[in-house]
Amino acid sequence: DAGITQSPRHKVTETGTPVTLRCHQTENHRYMYWYRQDPGHGLRLIHYSYGVKDTDKGEVSDGYSVSRSKTEDFLLTLESATSSQTSVYFCVTGGNTEAFFGQGTRLTVV
Amino acid sequence: GIQVEQSPPDLILQEGANSTLRCNFSDSVNNLQWFHQNPWGQLINLFYIPSGTKQNGRLSATTVATERYSLLYISSSQTTDSGVYFCAVTGGYQKVTFGTGTKLQVIP
Repeated sequence: DAGITQSPRHKVTETGTPVTLRCHQTENHRYMYWYRQDPGHGLRLIHYSYGVKDTDKGEVSDGYSVSRSKTEDFLLTLESATSSQTSVYFCVTGGNTEAFFGQGTRLTVV
Repeated sequence: GIQVEQSPPDLILQEGANSTLRCNFSDSVNNLQWFHQNPWGQLINLFYIPSGTKQNGRLSATTVATERYSLLYISSSQTTDSGVYFCAVTGGYQKVTFGTGTKLQVIP
């Protein structure tokens, strides 16, 4: 939707390993967000960005870091994956007008 | 931050019935959107509606910004309407906040 691509779409990783998820957009949207979705918790904000090198924490940021070196890319890194980070991760872009979702990344930490 | 509450949390409808979903928010907002998450997990924009009323086929939405609520109407529901409906608001600093969603099941 709206030229947003998340990669990978699915990943299984082991506890303790670092993992990086990528969100790429072709719409030149200024605002980008990472959310996780878990049963019973809805969509929870992890980190967000207002522009290149301009990021801030959301409500569930512990154990995650982000980087935005280019307008089109927003990377989410799990520094040392834990089982509690098993989730579906969504990238969202926009914010000034409409928000658009990526397809989601299903991450399983075993 | 802005609090967003949706009601009801769960809804079961017979095919052909009408329904109203509600989204309340705690502060003034710049934008409001309604999304539908289908059973395969994909999230689709339904409406961008910071104020006023819009209609798209069997769906319509109304936002009364001064009273801090929005309503999503589904008429003549179909099984393909099943899924979770989220509202999302954008407040100060352009931060997007989602409601907890309404899970809708339409049965034949």
